[in-house]
Amino acid sequence: AQKVTQAQTEISVVEKEDVTLDCVYETRDTTYYLFWYKQPPSGELVFLIRRNSFDEQNEISGRYSWNFQKSTSSFNFTITASQVVDSAVYFCALSEANSNSGYALNFGKGTSLLVTP
Amino acid sequence: DTGVSQDPRHKITKRGQNVTFRCDPISEHNRLYWYRQTLGQGPEFLTYFQNEAQLEKSRLLSDRFSAERPKGSFSTLEIQRTEQGDSAMYLCASSPAIPLSGNTIYFGEGSWLTVV
Repeated sequence: AQKVTQAQTEISVVEKEDVTLDCVYETRDTTYYLFWYKQPPSGELVFLIRRNSFDEQNEISGRYSWNFQKSTSSFNFTITASQVVDSAVYFCALSEANSNSGYALNFGKGTSLLVTP
Repeated sequence: DTGVSQDPRHKITKRGQNVTFRCDPISEHNRLYWYRQTLGQGPEFLTYFQNEAQLEKSRLLSDRFSAERPKGSFSTLEIQRTEQGDSAMYLCASSPAIPLSGNTIYFGEGSWLTVV
């Protein structure tokens, strides 16, 4: 079963617009970790943020913000005042403390964001 | 640069040939992971090492795939008798020993494989 669902396959916005990328996860573990990664065309996965299941505080880093809600099993990512350089594929991922795979990440299918001038 | 490095970055091979990819993790990281990513999909877990021990393998890792991490440093992923379905990007990642606050995994730039 898919543990991480990113329902938005592609999003296109005009520069300076705000955009929210949705992520819904599924787990039976009480201890887990949620991540967002950015994958530009070069292919490297760039770590953006990690949140722990026991810390629901939202976080802001510059133009990026994350909204973690355990009640809806969601971990959404908002980019404020988007820029062309934000164009990339963004992946949400889940890591479970009780997995056999050493905290390996379960990824969603990604959301491709295109920001046009 | 002290990030995760992978070699080669691109490989084109004929079906039936063997290929080997190398990964050098971040030096102080004792956990190393291999993932595979196909177009339009998220990365999928293949296997992971803690130091030199291979502790888990995904069912995606068929008998034609083998990974090693001698001495707990660099790792190799070999694919024998390649098939066209093996065409993908192979990502290596590493992480430090698990701190109480969780595990952040850092990825390399990936090795693209095209089987023709």
